[in-house]
Amino acid sequence: AIQLTQSPTSLPASVGDRVTITCRASQGISTALAWYQQKPGEPPRLLIYDASSLESGVPSRFSGSGSGTDFTLTISSLQFEDFATYFCQQFKSFPTFGQGTRLEIK
Amino acid sequence: QVTLKESGPVLVKPTETLTLTCTVSGFSLTNIRMGVTWIRQPPGKALEWLAHIFSNDERSYSTSLKSRLTISQDISKNQVVLIMTNMDPVDTGTYYCARVDSVNELYGDYWGQGTLVTVSS
Repeated sequence: AIQLTQSPTSLPASVGDRVTITCRASQGISTALAWYQQKPGEPPRLLIYDASSLESGVPSRFSGSGSGTDFTLTISSLQFEDFATYFCQQFKSFPTFGQGTRLEIK
Repeated sequence: QVTLKESGPVLVKPTETLTLTCTVSGFSLTNIRMGVTWIRQPPGKALEWLAHIFSNDERSYSTSLKSRLTISQDISKNQVVLIMTNMDPVDTGTYYCARVDSVNELYGDYWGQGTLVTVSS
């Protein structure tokens, strides 16, 4: 199975910050990667698919990039409602998820 | 409006069989492109993709759980069913169903709210 490693595990940040979360795949997955946001007690919400395509209705401050084994999710100017846990997921082979990055208020 | 709703028992005993139902609306299980997946999440932990199914009855399972899982669909009822045998306390968690965009785009674009399943004697 393809393993995904996210970093950091926890990220303290402030409103207005530009933040970047990294996801590294154990083997090349082209651009078969999605990013989700999850808040406590809620299901995950799809943000990005195909590594860089923004899902409909997702604010443009979210962006994704990368291909092969290294990917990033960037939030250009952090808003209060963005404090949540973020997961990457690959679908090059049977889908697997990263362990999550918790974005916390500094 | 696309919706998915999970239903099933909240408590099962070790060694018992779990049956979960996902009832969908706003899209058709006969849609040649779309499918449905089951994903679970132990408390405070990461997500795990369990299985998915498409309208042509193409199914795929997690390698580590394949021997315990069966996914099926009842198109007349707009339902996808997941059966997991020999439940163990480590299987405790929230179980989600989600719509999958296509066989080549295996990510969940619409999700149910999830159902918490506890495995305990």
